Amino acid sequence: EAGVAQSPRYKIIEKRQSVAFWCNPISGHATLYWYQQILGQGPKLLIQFQNNGVVDDSQLPKDRFSAERLKGVDSTLKIQPAKLEDSAVYLCASSFLAGGTDTQYFGPGTRLTVL
Amino acid sequence: AQTVTQSQPEMSVQEAETVTLSCTYDTSESDYYLFWYKQPPSRQMILVIRQEAYKQQNATENRFSVNFQKAAKSFSLKISDSQLGDAAMYFCAYRSAGRIQGAQKLVFGQGTRLTINP
Repeated sequence: EAGVAQSPRYKIIEKRQSVAFWCNPISGHATLYWYQQILGQGPKLLIQFQNNGVVDDSQLPKDRFSAERLKGVDSTLKIQPAKLEDSAVYLCASSFLAGGTDTQYFGPGTRLTVL
Repeated sequence: AQTVTQSQPEMSVQEAETVTLSCTYDTSESDYYLFWYKQPPSRQMILVIRQEAYKQQNATENRFSVNFQKAAKSFSLKISDSQLGDAAMYFCAYRSAGRIQGAQKLVFGQGTRLTINP
């Protein structure tokens, strides 16, 4: 069974530029999560999708971050414009059940450096 | 809001010995799940072990076991017969068992970096 795929693995941009990350969850998984992991800290949830609907985006900085999961499969997270404090690893995770009550499987992450 | 605290930023252990990683959490809920995740350097996070709060029996997975003290809100991970491949960041995480939308997010601690000395 293929795992959660993310691309790119690494990205370096300058502040005020835009960047987009892509995630393809495990096939058949209804729930998809985006987490932000700042160096030295544990991951923090940015947004949770159930199929193609948003369940929780309370910690997403909506003035600069956006995310979509249009067909209920893969997802894109965008930052526009980026700030220095956005430097982090962005982790995508998925779980099978629509309620997200089961195990979350993580992708390898995208490491973003904002200069 | 729930919080998870890992008070040991770094731990080290000799290969083949036993090490215990500490985790405490704060919640007003009675039903929840606790997890230990392992994150090797530059590799993805994988689930090590999971504990349901309603179960009194401590979870075990081969060399990994937990000491779950619900009243004390403590959830430590014991790794027996440590191996070089166990070197990683270990994260303790909490998740509500509620079915309210948005309750399923994982709340992570700050992590403990485990080094295995050969």
